[in-house]
Amino acid sequence: QVQLQQSGPGLVKPSQTLSLTCAISGDSVSSNSGAWSWVRQSPSRGLEWLGRTYYRSKWYNDYAVSVKSRINISPDTTKNHFSLQLNSVTPEDTAVYYCAGELTPHTGLHVWGQGTTVTVSS
Amino acid sequence: QSVVTQPPSVSGTPGQTVTISCSGSNSNIGSHYVYWFQQLPGTAPKLLIYGDNQRPSGVPDRFSGSKSGTSASLAISGLRTEDEAAYYCAPWDDSLRGYVFGTGTKVTVL
Repeated sequence: QVQLQQSGPGLVKPSQTLSLTCAISGDSVSSNSGAWSWVRQSPSRGLEWLGRTYYRSKWYNDYAVSVKSRINISPDTTKNHFSLQLNSVTPEDTAVYYCAGELTPHTGLHVWGQGTTVTVSS
Repeated sequence: QSVVTQPPSVSGTPGQTVTISCSGSNSNIGSHYVYWFQQLPGTAPKLLIYGDNQRPSGVPDRFSGSKSGTSASLAISGLRTEDEAAYYCAPWDDSLRGYVFGTGTKVTVL
């Protein structure tokens, strides 16, 4: 049974970098069939997919157009986790952030982390 | 504002069938699989349907998905009080180059 466990700070200052980590148990971040995403949710923007990382003989990333210039999602194979970095945050980035996994292609975001409430405020 | 739209709310009485619509375009629903999620208050979304009409293991067959052209639907038959939640559709979108979540529909069991 695959589980995702999120960690990271709940408060970030404006213009700084939001960093969150998602630890995977029961599967591998390097799986040739999985894909690992970050999703956020706020009252003003609803549910918003941010991007993903996946391995298919080499590493790939897809990023939402809305955040592409300031996002990085990276795997750590030694710790079996993946991380989100969102640069130059503003109060608009205040949201609940979720990590999520698609275990095999086209089967959807089947497993989710518990969510982390991140507030951008000085 | 999402490019995939859903009605803000639908309601029904226990035992009834309710249907939630999801309207998109050729760049999303018209050319990619649709996924449906259920979200209870204070919890992460839960995958209900993948591949337009497939249920993951453990999802009751009261939930069914369909698609035609640039629209998709989720039907909940035999409505139960525990089905009261928000529901989201989510296809991939070629223009946005990622998954796009619908605006969400709140189901109320009267």
